[in-house]
Amino acid sequence: DTAVSQTPKYLVTQMGNDKSIKCEQNLGHDTMYWYKQDSKKFLKIMFSYNNKELIINETVPNRFSPKSPDKAHLNLHINSLELGDSAVYFCASRGNSPLHFGNGTRLTVT
Amino acid sequence: GIQVEQSPPDLILQEGANSTLRCNFSDSVNNLQWFHQNPWGQLINLFYIPSGTKQNGRLSATTVATERYSLLYISSSQTTDSGVYFCAVLYSGNTPLVFGKGTRLSVIA
Repeated sequence: DTAVSQTPKYLVTQMGNDKSIKCEQNLGHDTMYWYKQDSKKFLKIMFSYNNKELIINETVPNRFSPKSPDKAHLNLHINSLELGDSAVYFCASRGNSPLHFGNGTRLTVT
Repeated sequence: GIQVEQSPPDLILQEGANSTLRCNFSDSVNNLQWFHQNPWGQLINLFYIPSGTKQNGRLSATTVATERYSLLYISSSQTTDSGVYFCAVLYSGNTPLVFGKGTRLSVIA
């Protein structure tokens, strides 16, 4: 009965590859987010989706693309991975309530 | 954009000690949350507190919205309290929460 679940937990891949991270929430929230946490632990917003529409895109390279098949899912696709993309990526969701995070996906690009 | 500053950046406590973490924000906010990121990387919601004071066990939080700050109190600290504590503010509507850089807490036995 996990509220916000994301898969995979770990992702190791080579430069230039394309990868996806999946996120699902069962809280009935209208808004979902992707955050990136760098090596210094700083959490930066990447995308947010409200009712399947992108409402904010914070100067993220267009190699990153969010895709939301329905209100409960917000997947993150990354093309042509670069070394600097290595980080922990967190999915989150919110309604008229606190923000809830998934457990994160640690992406390592070699 | 809105700025969120947390202090201190690092804190080392002896088990059993008390501490206060501070979060200052630069503009009016609709809401504020405190999170604990444990050593396994999980982000746990501690408090959802736009104003006033809340308590949960050994932890309590106070937000004074008119003066643009919030405080997180940890009493009788335990080693399991170690990790990074984040303050995050909601500016308006469906804008995303903006995070401070966190306070890294180490509680030693």
